[in-house]
Amino acid sequence: DGGITQSPKYLFRKEGQNVTLSCEQNLNHDAMYWYRQDPGQGLRLIYYSQIVNDFQKGDIAEGYSVSREKKESFPLTVTSAQKNPTAFYLCASSIGLTATDTQYFGPGTRLTVL
Amino acid sequence: GNSVTQMEGPVTLSEEAFLTINCTYTATGYPSLFWYVQYPGEGLQLLLKATKADDKGSNKGFEATYRKETTSFHLEKGSVQVSDSAVYFCAGGGGKLIFGQGTELSVKP
Repeated sequence: DGGITQSPKYLFRKEGQNVTLSCEQNLNHDAMYWYRQDPGQGLRLIYYSQIVNDFQKGDIAEGYSVSREKKESFPLTVTSAQKNPTAFYLCASSIGLTATDTQYFGPGTRLTVL
Repeated sequence: GNSVTQMEGPVTLSEEAFLTINCTYTATGYPSLFWYVQYPGEGLQLLLKATKADDKGSNKGFEATYRKETTSFHLEKGSVQVSDSAVYFCAGGGGKLIFGQGTELSVKP
């Protein structure tokens, strides 16, 4: 089955630690995205990548970093510089970045910083 | 800048009631418009989309029509079921999506 996988589903970390969230897709999509979702709010874009070895900041990139070394993988690191990292993180992918391209989402990772 | 505004929730309906969730957008040009659904603890699933004015997207009994004159993309369903209880997100954009804040729907038997 084609799709997007995120791991782990739940993640607990101590304050001040960096943590990396995994996102893998086997849809052969060029574009990938990371969003943050807080309770009762919409999704906010953290980073996105149009092709391998290239990525762009979204609206709330501060305190986060990404890499895109392979087409199918787009890991997100939440650094200790992120002031309020507890949230639900969603990864998505699409064929490209044109207006009609649909984004498909993974199941999400819930990060709790203790 | 571009924005998407959707009706605030939560919305509570009885089974078989008619559903409307309003969504309006502000954008440069005419973006594609989408409705996504999120069940508790899960990611977003595409419900339907429209890519140009007057297009109607439909899926699982849900419909939405891209109205350029009112810059709207309201979601409708004629008869909701308990299984439709979820959070619904309107989104628009060209490539990078802008999301509304979500509308929580609860359907009671």
